[in-house]
Amino acid sequence: SAVISQKPSRDICQRGTSLTIQCQVDSQVTMMFWYRQQPGQSLTLIATANQGSEATYESGFVIDKFPISRPNLTFSTLTVSNMSPEDSSIYLCSVELTQGTGSYNEQFFGPGTRLTVL
Amino acid sequence: KNEVEQSPQNLTAQEGEFITINCSYSVGISALHWLQQHPGGGIVSLFMLSSGKKKHGRLIATINIQEKHSSLHITASHPRDSAVYICAVTGGGADGLTFGKGTHLIIQP
Repeated sequence: SAVISQKPSRDICQRGTSLTIQCQVDSQVTMMFWYRQQPGQSLTLIATANQGSEATYESGFVIDKFPISRPNLTFSTLTVSNMSPEDSSIYLCSVELTQGTGSYNEQFFGPGTRLTVL
Repeated sequence: KNEVEQSPQNLTAQEGEFITINCSYSVGISALHWLQQHPGGGIVSLFMLSSGKKKHGRLIATINIQEKHSSLHITASHPRDSAVYICAVTGGGADGLTFGKGTHLIIQP
């Protein structure tokens, strides 16, 4: 299994500022995923972060707005830049681990960062 | 891009009832996940399916790959089962998950 922690757990920020969210995993993982859940909506994949390479962004998300770092196999950061009220969401990081003898993959999610932009 | 549809969107039932939540998707997948999200945002993985059926306690999940459909069943439902249940699919690898909109389940005592 994997235990994932995120910092901060919540924040209230002013329009135009930036916030960096940290994600720490207690085991080494190749891929980490960043998701956004806007109020009343389901989760949407922002990007996939592999260690040692640039993150891969989904349609509608760009590196200038959501820069991601992945310095090692247990840590990643997501920055929400030049924030606007539309960025108010829960941001979650996630990893996928192969369980047992490689028979299945299980998803593990961080507790989320609840961001409010005023 | 996969389209994931869940039904019902909202479900209120009495304690002890048998609950079924459905999920359909549009494009072939490598795996389907059922997730549980409690108030406050925490998400827990319940099942990962690529074929057949899995059971864990009072929860049962099935998938029909040919029909691109999965169901989550809860037997002997309890108020603590109240949560949002989310279906998510992946093509594998670096695809990440595509999520349904979730089913908001309330079990009344």
